[in-house]
Amino acid sequence: AQRVTQPEKLLSVFKGAPVELKCNYSYSGSPELFWYVQYSRQRLQLLLRHISRESIKGFTADLNKGETSFHLKKPFAQEEDSAMYYCALGGAGSYQLTFGKGTKLSVIP
Amino acid sequence: NAGVTQTPKFQVLKTGQSMTLQCAQDMNHEYMSWYRQDPGMGLRLIHYSVGAGITDQGEVPNGYNVSRSTTEDFPLRLLSAAPSQTSVYFCASSYTTGELFFGEGSRLTVL
Repeated sequence: AQRVTQPEKLLSVFKGAPVELKCNYSYSGSPELFWYVQYSRQRLQLLLRHISRESIKGFTADLNKGETSFHLKKPFAQEEDSAMYYCALGGAGSYQLTFGKGTKLSVIP
Repeated sequence: NAGVTQTPKFQVLKTGQSMTLQCAQDMNHEYMSWYRQDPGMGLRLIHYSVGAGITDQGEVPNGYNVSRSTTEDFPLRLLSAAPSQTSVYFCASSYTTGELFFGEGSRLTVL
């Protein structure tokens, strides 16, 4: 069975501080990992995926297969980063995603 | 393009009532799915469809029915609502693996 664990329900950081949202997964096949974000009063939307290896809004995430992790990082948090973040796991060629329980990021001015 | 449209946005039901949450997408996506979002539980997959005429169960299908008669529409039916079905429901569609496009959500309260 595939599983996604986000250990922090809530993460509060000060503006300008580094941010790391943790995500660990369990999957027997070849995983595809994603981060989705839900800003207040907005739709859930894709933030980034591991295969693209790009930085979106200053966020990056590296897939570590040895540690089965896909942590989301940003060197300097901004107030507009405050949102709910979900890590999601899919299998190669599969449309279905398993989501973690989410981490609410609060950036303190 | 409207993207993924869900109706209604809010609904209050009494236990035992039935209702249908509507979902429509105008992006010609083959894949559509329904999730429910509960505090502390994240998003859980209820049902999904990989094309017209094809549906399958997700993680939490009990109490819900779906059908997919067209590519555009994927309604979710609650046959006999229960308080445990109080939740926010999201419809999503996709043209490629992993990138889901979500609707705005439907907040359902069952009394």
